[in-house]
Amino acid sequence: DTGVSQDPRHKITKRGQNVTFRCDPISEHNRLYWYRQTLGQGPEFLTYFQNEAQLEKSRLLSDRFSAERPKGSFSTLEIQRTEQGDSAMYLCASSPRTGGNTEAFFGQGTRLTVV
Amino acid sequence: DAKTTQPPSMDCAEGRAANLPCNHSTISGNEYVYWYRQIHSQGPQYIIHGLKNNETNEMASLIITEDRKSSTLILPHATLRDTAVYYCIVRVNNNDMRFGAGTRLTVKP
Repeated sequence: DTGVSQDPRHKITKRGQNVTFRCDPISEHNRLYWYRQTLGQGPEFLTYFQNEAQLEKSRLLSDRFSAERPKGSFSTLEIQRTEQGDSAMYLCASSPRTGGNTEAFFGQGTRLTVV
Repeated sequence: DAKTTQPPSMDCAEGRAANLPCNHSTISGNEYVYWYRQIHSQGPQYIIHGLKNNETNEMASLIITEDRKSSTLILPHATLRDTAVYYCIVRVNNNDMRFGAGTRLTVKP
């Protein structure tokens, strides 16, 4: 296993279109996190899953955003009716287990550009 | 919101120790201190974490004050490849991490 994988790495879309990103965590990692990062800022928390359950959602996750992790393995993040303000890097991370304190491993991100 | 404060930028000479401070005065008793770094256009990379004892690994050392209200990340012999943004985060039980703006460390030859 080579780490957290995100697809695609880059996405350019027209305003108003829907986009979907995929994250494959490290195998057997229970927790999966989504973050958004704009230029010059630290990553902003969006949501996280424990197995297939979505445990917390940030206020940043408007009703145009939806995330799923249907079988507790990979996850998807969908943005509907994209806006220029959605342009950002979308990062995914996973942690080995629930409870305890272990490091989270990040993927390389999906860079979204809305034109 | 982030529960930590860090200086926005620091410089360090190549080969010298880089000492990056972090204040977390409202840290709770069960919250750990984590450090990550992010090199341009890459995902954040885990460095080290600790609760109250000092920690050391192959990348860095973490010094946490006795009252746990602040900590220092030490890169013992900084190289040009250590130029990055360094984030200090407090976290408990593998819950979500809240990043601040971090410290932009520039290692100069």
